[in-house]
Amino acid sequence: QVQLLQSGVEVKNPGASVKVSCKVSGYTLTELSMHWVRQAPGKGLEWMGGFDPEDGETMYAQKFQGRVTMTEDTSTDTAYMELSSLRSEDTAVYYCATLAMTTVTNNWFDPWGQGTLVTVSS
Amino acid sequence: QSVLTQPPSVSGAPGQRVTISCTGSSSNIGAGYNVHWYQQLPGTAPKLLIYDDKNRPSGVPDRFSGSKSGTSASLAITGLQAEDEADYYCQSYDSSLSGSYVFGTGTKVTVL
Repeated sequence: QVQLLQSGVEVKNPGASVKVSCKVSGYTLTELSMHWVRQAPGKGLEWMGGFDPEDGETMYAQKFQGRVTMTEDTSTDTAYMELSSLRSEDTAVYYCATLAMTTVTNNWFDPWGQGTLVTVSS
Repeated sequence: QSVLTQPPSVSGAPGQRVTISCTGSSSNIGAGYNVHWYQQLPGTAPKLLIYDDKNRPSGVPDRFSGSKSGTSASLAITGLQAEDEADYYCQSYDSSLSGSYVFGTGTKVTVL
């Protein structure tokens, strides 16, 4: 049973960067395809990017390309999502979630981390 | 912004049946990509409800069912219960924009 435990609340100034972590237990990170999804207050879910199980590369949503970096530390089974040049619109809950299968197209996210609230405010 | 459109809200009395639509296009649902559904209870992370259009993970009541046709999919909840009051999201894959995962706009289910 995969479990994902995320880091705590973050408050950042506009223009700063934030790095959110997601610790895996029950499996090793190398067995999983970790992705990140965010949810602004009162809004819907938005996919940001994650590991492509078919080519081994990281895929990013076009909206975040150049501003987001997703990395993994396999020695600690921890995934990271760093978002730079923060603005108020980046205020959201950020979730890590794993792809359930080893394909890209017909795939879904299960399970999810508990979420990390990132607030961007001066 | 979401490329899968859902009604903002649906409601029903306990015991009734409600359905939630998820409308996409030729680059996602219409291209044959499967649809998955999530339930998000207030203040919690989304939880997988239906995968591959119509399959329920272990532990999900059979009151929840999914279907797909053309460029749309639907989630039905029969025998509505108070604990079903939550937000529901559909999700699929989109082959435009170099490929990406897309979510629906979300639907709030209210039990009257």
